[in-house]
Amino acid sequence: EPEVTQTPSHQVTQMGQEVILRCVPISNHLYFYWYRQILGQKVEFLVSFYNNEISEKSEIFDDQFSVERPDGSNFTLKIRSTKLEDSAMYFCASSGWSWGTDTQYFGPGTRLTVL
Amino acid sequence: TQLLEQSPQFLSIQEGENLTVYCNSSSVFSSLQWYRQEPGEGPVLLVTVVTGGEVKKLKRLTFQFGDARKDSSLHITAAQPGDTGLYLCAGRGQNFVFGPGTRLSVLP
Repeated sequence: EPEVTQTPSHQVTQMGQEVILRCVPISNHLYFYWYRQILGQKVEFLVSFYNNEISEKSEIFDDQFSVERPDGSNFTLKIRSTKLEDSAMYFCASSGWSWGTDTQYFGPGTRLTVL
Repeated sequence: TQLLEQSPQFLSIQEGENLTVYCNSSSVFSSLQWYRQEPGEGPVLLVTVVTGGEVKKLKRLTFQFGDARKDSSLHITAAQPGDTGLYLCAGRGQNFVFGPGTRLSVLP
């Protein structure tokens, strides 16, 4: 069964450093998303991406964040200058044909630890 | 800001018991999804409900979307230890929001 994959599973970085989190969505999906979950808190929407551009983003997704689909398979989240409060699980998701009612399939997550 | 509330926050029951968990909001959602999440893993979709009043069944799990599309419930019949986990509802309104989850523990 097709699945969303994410790398790395765990990333440790120093405050102020840039990190890139990688995702490979399900191959025929068109919509891609990033979420984060701070330890013990709820899953929070960051951004959705369709047709090579951001379709929606939340208040959390400020200028420190960017997303890119550099080729036909990868979808990346970049944090330019990490802060301690960026430590969280970051989940990538993809869906097939619509933003909203279509099923979103989640990856296993990348645990980001900022020291 | 649209919010989803879930209740109860924690639930511990014995194997074989029935239970219902709730997802509520003051906002209308065009669709609502239920997920189960294990520690350190991503949410795994259980069901999507779209139509007000819709009922979907997945083996021992029954999901209902409220008529006004502001709330939903998940009912588990004859719970088993394998049902233990964090149950999340998530809704599509202005944005996509998750509830805080109900942590279910089924004791053998």
